[in-house]
Amino acid sequence: ETGVTQTPRHLVMGMTNKKSLKCEQHLGHNAMYWYKQSAKKPLELMFVYSLEERVENNSVPSRFSPECPNSSHLFLHLHTLQPEDSALYLCASSQVLDRAGYTFGSGTRLTVV
Amino acid sequence: EDQVTQSPEALRLQEGESSSLNCSYTVSGLRGLFWYRQDPGKGPEFLFTLYSAGEEKEKERLKATLTKKESFLHITAPKPEDSATYLCAVQAYNTDKLIFGTGTRLQVFP
Repeated sequence: ETGVTQTPRHLVMGMTNKKSLKCEQHLGHNAMYWYKQSAKKPLELMFVYSLEERVENNSVPSRFSPECPNSSHLFLHLHTLQPEDSALYLCASSQVLDRAGYTFGSGTRLTVV
Repeated sequence: EDQVTQSPEALRLQEGESSSLNCSYTVSGLRGLFWYRQDPGKGPEFLFTLYSAGEEKEKERLKATLTKKESFLHITAPKPEDSATYLCAVQAYNTDKLIFGTGTRLQVFP
């Protein structure tokens, strides 16, 4: 499999649940990113990892917790989310930190009920 | 503050009817301007990077141009398969982060 793969594609969770989003890249890139995409809003950068080290946390609430165990995998752990957290969560990677064009995954459509 | 504004918000074209999408930006030192295409239910797909005013890039029916204040994505004789949301993003020297616009949703009818 090539490119950036995100699972699951769709997720519905209650506000008291704990779930995780997974991202895997098969491109040999060194940097990975989490973005949030809400309707009628620009993509919002959430977290940036370079060579498995977090280099940016863009004022994201602590109910979102990222994890990067190696340069190919990125997780976003979710707990006690709010309905306004419902959005499309996109993972991206780039060969070098902050050098585009980023390669995006297809995203996880998250609904918090 | 670095900012990206895309217009129009939505555009409906007949097949073969050429048009342009606009991306206006304000940034303190432009490192690069990027165009992406996003299909429903999918992540953005990289199209072009432009680095300096006067630069142009082409891919099939798409041509991107750049000035010091804006970029245009020209679509020549579009086909229904060109229907998508087109996103523009800028990268500034001082932050290195991509700043996205809200996109233009293009629909091309046969």
